[in-house]
Amino acid sequence: GAGVSQTPSNKVTEKGKYVELRCDPISGHTALYWYRQSLGQGPEFLIYFQGTGAADDSGLPNDRFFAVRPEGSVSTLKIQRTERGDSAVYLCASSLGGGSSYEQYFGPGTRLTVT
Amino acid sequence: DAKTTQPTSMDCAEGRAANLPCNHSTISGNEYVYWYRQIHSQGPQYIIHGLKNNETNEMASLIITEDRKSSTLILPHATLRDTAVYYCIVRVAENAGNMLTFGGGTRLMVKP
Repeated sequence: GAGVSQTPSNKVTEKGKYVELRCDPISGHTALYWYRQSLGQGPEFLIYFQGTGAADDSGLPNDRFFAVRPEGSVSTLKIQRTERGDSAVYLCASSLGGGSSYEQYFGPGTRLTVT
Repeated sequence: DAKTTQPTSMDCAEGRAANLPCNHSTISGNEYVYWYRQIHSQGPQYIIHGLKNNETNEMASLIITEDRKSSTLILPHATLRDTAVYYCIVRVAENAGNMLTFGGGTRLMVKP
């Protein structure tokens, strides 16, 4: 079946601009996660959704970052007033449930470059 | 979640077994050991997980020491396609969402 998909695959934007990154999880997966991966490092957690609600947003670095999942499926990560330090690969993952026994399936990521 | 320690990099000859170690000396009794890998330009991929018993699936085997302070991921017959960064992660076994906390991982290079 279809895996997690993310669009766009690459996004180049100028400093100060607003960007939206989209994640389509695996159908039926109630849990959705966003991670950010800088070059040469492991992914870092940003936010976790269970259904439509953000159950844990402790990883969002500041209030320029926001994410929604209005219908409990597709999620959008929104970054306002982008900065060069926001350049990274943004990864989305989904799982059947939110517990530790559930495997997380990752998408290919969106590479964001802020110039 | 407990911290993990892995070697930065390892080499393995194609067709041989790759044994990737992980130390998690502060692991708690309710924490699972998970392994993910990330092939270049792709998202991480789940490999295997376990609590205290050894586990095997079609991809790999996971050997957890009796005191649970370390584990080894074994790829029995490594191929060039197994070249990737391998992450060892421990997670609390709660029935609530929690994130994966990735460290630096081990960069495995499988050589012909």
